Amino acid sequence: DAGVIQSPRHEVTEMGQEVTLRCKPISGHNSLFWYRQTMMRGLELLIYFNNNVPIDDSGMPEDRFSAKMPNASFSTLKIQPSEPRDSAVYFCASSFQEGYGYTFGSGTRLTVV
Amino acid sequence: DQQVKQNSPSLSVQEGRISILNCDYTNSMFDYFLWYKKYPAEGPTFLISISSIKDKNEDGRFTVFLNKSAKHLSLHIVPSQPGDSAVYFCAASAQTGTASKLTFGTGTRLQVTL
Repeated sequence: DAGVIQSPRHEVTEMGQEVTLRCKPISGHNSLFWYRQTMMRGLELLIYFNNNVPIDDSGMPEDRFSAKMPNASFSTLKIQPSEPRDSAVYFCASSFQEGYGYTFGSGTRLTVV
Repeated sequence: DQQVKQNSPSLSVQEGRISILNCDYTNSMFDYFLWYKKYPAEGPTFLISISSIKDKNEDGRFTVFLNKSAKHLSLHIVPSQPGDSAVYFCAASAQTGTASKLTFGTGTRLQVTL
């Protein structure tokens, strides 16, 4: 298994532009999580899905952030419009049902200039 | 409000000695605790976990201790090796019934020196 696959690995964009981050979870995992890593707050949960349904999006910072999971093998996190304070590493993770062991992707390093 | 706190941003330990990483939590509903290890440019990887019904769990060189009354857990690495140099995240979960979301701390960077 290739693990959780995130793309792109790095993204540099100008303020105001739309950014889309992509994630392919491990096949058979039915929970998917989007986290953001910053120095100040560590790993923050943004949103998670169970069986493709968003369960908790209370961590999504603003309306500029949106996430979708159209099927069991794909999810996107979109920021529109992007701002410099959105610069961070964004991780996607998946797990099997209520299993506590997440598998993380390698992350997308986003820089908004 | 940071429900899981790692108050030491960094720790330096000599090779062969014991590394002790600490974590405190505030939410009494947390019933499962995990440690993740993260190397640069990689995602965090699961290291060891402990349920609230236990106070100790051991896996090779890694031992996690849980003190529920103090809402404190620690990770001991003995003996420390240079390959252990990484950022360590403490995480906690409260059974929600559908998916168990993890709340992470801010991480402690461990440097094992020769």
